[in-house]
Amino acid sequence: AQSVTQLGSHVSVSEGALVLLRCNYSSSVPPYLFWYVQYPNQGLQLLLKYTTGATLVKGINGFEAEFKKSETSFHLTKPSAHMSDAAEYFCAVSDRGSGTYKYIFGTGTRLKVLA
Amino acid sequence: KAGVTQTPRYLIKTRGQQVTLSCSPISGHRSVSWYQQTPGQGLQFLFEYFSETQRNKGNFPGRFSGRQFSNSRSEMNVSTLELGDSALYLCASNGQGPNINTEAFFGQGTRLTVV
Repeated sequence: AQSVTQLGSHVSVSEGALVLLRCNYSSSVPPYLFWYVQYPNQGLQLLLKYTTGATLVKGINGFEAEFKKSETSFHLTKPSAHMSDAAEYFCAVSDRGSGTYKYIFGTGTRLKVLA
Repeated sequence: KAGVTQTPRYLIKTRGQQVTLSCSPISGHRSVSWYQQTPGQGLQFLFEYFSETQRNKGNFPGRFSGRQFSNSRSEMNVSTLELGDSALYLCASNGQGPNINTEAFFGQGTRLTVV
């Protein structure tokens, strides 16, 4: 069965500093991996996804993530944090074994950006 | 292209009542999934419908049910509401076909409060 672990429920960075949000997954088949962002009282917005091909994936708002099979990781990074990046971030894996559109989400990381 | 529409945005219900939430997916999408989001449990998968058929179901009691109509709109129903059902209910719209490597598009959610 697939699972996702996000290390750090809260992360604080200074504006302009590197953002690094960690995600590790467990999957018995090649995974489909996603990062979503959620602003207060809103739904989830896709930042980026990995399915096949290039392991470094670029997303919206300057975010990128690298799929590392050997480390079973899919960490999210952004070179320079902006105040507008303050939100909650979720890593998810598609439950491919079910053959359906079921996602398994991590517990989320709340990012705080300090002025 | 219109996004995923969930109605209503906010609901307050009394214990023991029942509630119906609605979700209109992106035009052309045939899959609708429902998730419950709470501070304690995070994002949990309720069920997924594809072309009017329930393809997958999460680990929730039978009080939680859903259906999908021929136009792909979906409803979920919760009967005999309990205080613990207070949550943000998110609907996700996916795919124009059965290929599961596409991303989910989420609505803004329905915030249900049970008093």
